[in-house]
Amino acid sequence: AQSVTQLGSHVSVSEGALVLLRCNYSSSVPPYLFWYVQYPNQGLQLLLKYTTGATLVKGINGFEAEFKKSETSFHLTKPSAHMSDAAEYFCAVSDTRPQKLVFGQGTRLTINP
Amino acid sequence: GAGVSQSPSNKVTEKGKDVELRCDPISGHTALYWYRQRLGQGLEFLIYFQGNSAPDKSGLPSDRFSAERTGESVSTLTIQRTQQEDSAVYLCASSLVAARGETQYFGPGTRLLVL
Repeated sequence: AQSVTQLGSHVSVSEGALVLLRCNYSSSVPPYLFWYVQYPNQGLQLLLKYTTGATLVKGINGFEAEFKKSETSFHLTKPSAHMSDAAEYFCAVSDTRPQKLVFGQGTRLTINP
Repeated sequence: GAGVSQSPSNKVTEKGKDVELRCDPISGHTALYWYRQRLGQGLEFLIYFQGNSAPDKSGLPSDRFSAERTGESVSTLTIQRTQQEDSAVYLCASSLVAARGETQYFGPGTRLLVL
């Protein structure tokens, strides 16, 4: 069965600093991995996803994530945080049958001015 | 184009009442998913529909929960005899097809509060 662990329910960084949100997964099959962002009172928006091919995936808003099979990780990074990045971030792995997404508990990102 | 829409955006009900939540997927999307998000938690899968195939109901928490979808159109999630633990945000998502790696597009959710 697939599972996702996000380390740190809350992360706080200063504006302009590096953002690092950690995600580790467990999967019985080659994983397909996703990062979604949720702004207050809104639905989830896809930031990026890894299916096959290049292990460094670039997404929207300057975010990127690297799939590391040996570490079973898919950490999300952004070189320089912006105030508008404040939101909740969810890592997810695609299950097999049914074709649902299995989500982590989420990480709330706060940006300090 | 239009995204996934859900209604109502907020619903307050009394314990024991039935509620019906609606989801309008992106046009042309054959797969539709319902998830539940309890306060401070991640999303839990409830049910998914793929075209005219029988839905996968493996995530429904009890027989008080049911969902319908006609073809590739609107879906309704019904919760009978609501309980306080049903309070959550109910999110609907759709995708072009139901396949691993396929992007799911989420609606804004229905925030349900059971008093």
